[in-house]
Amino acid sequence: DVKVTQSSRYLVKRTGEKVFLECVQDMDHENMFWYRQDPGLGLRLIYFSYDVKMKEKGDIPEGYSVSREKKERFSLILESASTNQTSMYLCASSDSLLKNIQYFGAGTRLSVL
Amino acid sequence: AQSVSQHNHHVILSEAASLELGCNYSYGGTVNLFWYVQYPGQHLQLLLKYFSGDPLVKGIKGFEAEFIKSKFSFNLRKPSVQWSDTAEYFCAVIAQMDSSYKLIFGSGTRLLVRP
Repeated sequence: DVKVTQSSRYLVKRTGEKVFLECVQDMDHENMFWYRQDPGLGLRLIYFSYDVKMKEKGDIPEGYSVSREKKERFSLILESASTNQTSMYLCASSDSLLKNIQYFGAGTRLSVL
Repeated sequence: AQSVSQHNHHVILSEAASLELGCNYSYGGTVNLFWYVQYPGQHLQLLLKYFSGDPLVKGIKGFEAEFIKSKFSFNLRKPSVQWSDTAEYFCAVIAQMDSSYKLIFGSGTRLLVRP
């Protein structure tokens, strides 16, 4: 089975802190994604990466950056956390952008106080 | 812009009732379509998918979905729901964006099945 592991299930941070969310996949997938999930809004794509050191903006990249130094690891960075970034963050991976069956991690629930 | 609409945000059913969740998309080209499910406390996971061929696709746990191209729809159905089907269901569509592809999710439908 594909395994996508997010380093934290729950995080509490203060406004202005720099926050790192880590994601690791074990299936040698080319593509990795970061979403945020908010009630009534579904999943919104923040960033995705189709190769090491490559990244593309999604629908809501403002306030976020990403890093992909190794194929299996994709990090989401909140440069200066704000209260409106309180959300559930989901990482996913897939081996094809066309067929794009995504495998999701368990999610990180981030609260910014 | 491409979009995916799920018209029912909350659905409450009794066990053994039939289920149909609506999904419409706005993309006019060739599409790949998905339903994902998130059971309480669990990962989001694939329920079923349509790439080509028979427009009636079957997924796990007795779910099926029908792709109707003329209606831009991909509705999810199950003849008889169980309490264990309580979950949030997301429809998703792959759209071509410039030279790449993007998976676009609907806003989700929360299903509560009463025992």
